[in-house]
Amino acid sequence: GENVEQHPSTLSVQEGDSAVIKCTYSDSASNYFPWYKQELGKRPQLIIDIRSNVGEKKDQRIAVTLNKTAKHFSLHITETQPEDSAVYFCAASTLGGNNDMRFGAGTRLTVKP
Amino acid sequence: EAGVAQSPRYKIIEKRQSVAFWCNPISGHATLYWYQQILGQGPKLLIQFQNNGVVDDSQLPKDRFSAERLKGVDSTLKIQPAKLEDSAVYLCASSARQENGYTFGSGTRLTVV
Repeated sequence: GENVEQHPSTLSVQEGDSAVIKCTYSDSASNYFPWYKQELGKRPQLIIDIRSNVGEKKDQRIAVTLNKTAKHFSLHITETQPEDSAVYFCAASTLGGNNDMRFGAGTRLTVKP
Repeated sequence: EAGVAQSPRYKIIEKRQSVAFWCNPISGHATLYWYQQILGQGPKLLIQFQNNGVVDDSQLPKDRFSAERLKGVDSTLKIQPAKLEDSAVYLCASSARQENGYTFGSGTRLTVV
């Protein structure tokens, strides 16, 4: 089955700096890569996603890049703000297939004011 | 659109006791998932239903965990008997087959003492 690895496990940045979180996946059939943000005690919330027919997607301060050949994808947050502090999870699944989603172990991002 | 409903929000039980969690997915979502999230880790898929059929239960500890989705709508997840290591948040999620991403419920935080 799919195996998703995520790095780093913790990340601390200064407000205004950029943050990058990287994930790799093992199943070449995976074609959908969402990113979730989870604040303490709350449910994971989808913040951005990318399909395998696209190399990059941007939504305001958040962008995701995908390298299908290398089987890795990354989350980029620019101009970080304290409210970006949370745990971020990457995931991979096969839409149109069995659609099960496997998650990375998470990255705890701390943005220092 | 109503979200994914889960109950209870919190549950404390002693080891070797039984417990059941309930999930009501978003109306019309054929696929329902149960995830276990241990503190500090990413969600781990326990079982996936497509309507009322099981698609993937490879990571479900079947000696103590069971789940059902009668009539392809609501689902219950049961643990019998519980162990200390079952302490976690149990997240239910649902998706339409070809739709982007999942919607998670608020989860049930289980503490086994």
